[in-house]
Amino acid sequence: AQSVTQLGSHVSVSEGALVLLRCNYSSSVPPYLFWYVQYPNQGLQLLLKYTTGATLVKGINGFEAEFKKSETSFHLTKPSAHMSDAAEYFCAVSVNTGNQFYFGTGTSLTVIP
Amino acid sequence: NAGVTQTPKFQVLKTGQSMTLQCAQDMNHEYMSWYRQDPGMGLRLIHYSVGAGITDQGEVPNGYNVSRSTTEDFPLRLLSAAPSQTSVYFCASSRTSGALTDTQYFGPGTRLTVL
Repeated sequence: AQSVTQLGSHVSVSEGALVLLRCNYSSSVPPYLFWYVQYPNQGLQLLLKYTTGATLVKGINGFEAEFKKSETSFHLTKPSAHMSDAAEYFCAVSVNTGNQFYFGTGTSLTVIP
Repeated sequence: NAGVTQTPKFQVLKTGQSMTLQCAQDMNHEYMSWYRQDPGMGLRLIHYSVGAGITDQGEVPNGYNVSRSTTEDFPLRLLSAAPSQTSVYFCASSRTSGALTDTQYFGPGTRLTVL
């Protein structure tokens, strides 16, 4: 079975500071990894995803994530936080032998002016 | 395209009542799913469908039924509402039902309260 762990349910950063949101996964087969963002009172939207190929993946709004197989991690980063980045972020995993996505519990990002 | 639409946006039920949450997509997506979102628990899969006429259970299916008679629609039925079903419900769809590499598109959610 697959699972996702997001360390830190709440993260606060100053505007302009580095954003680092952590995601570790568990999977017995090669995973597909996703980061989604949820703004208040909205549905989730895709930030970026890793399926195959280059392990450093760039997404929308300046975010990127690196798939590290040896560490079973897929941490999300952004060099400089903006006020508009305040939202809830979810890491998710799927595999090609199943039909389900598995989501982490989410990390709420607060950006301090 | 309207994308994924959900109705209603808000609903209050009494314990024991039944209701159907509607979900529709206009992108001709094969895969559709229902999640519930609860504080501190993230999104948990209730049911999913890999195509018209095919449905399967997710992580938390008890108390819910689904059907998929058309590609576009995937309603979620609460058979006898319980306070434990108070949650925000999201419908999502993605293009194919094979290898799950496709982006999921989420609806705006239905906020359900069961008294």
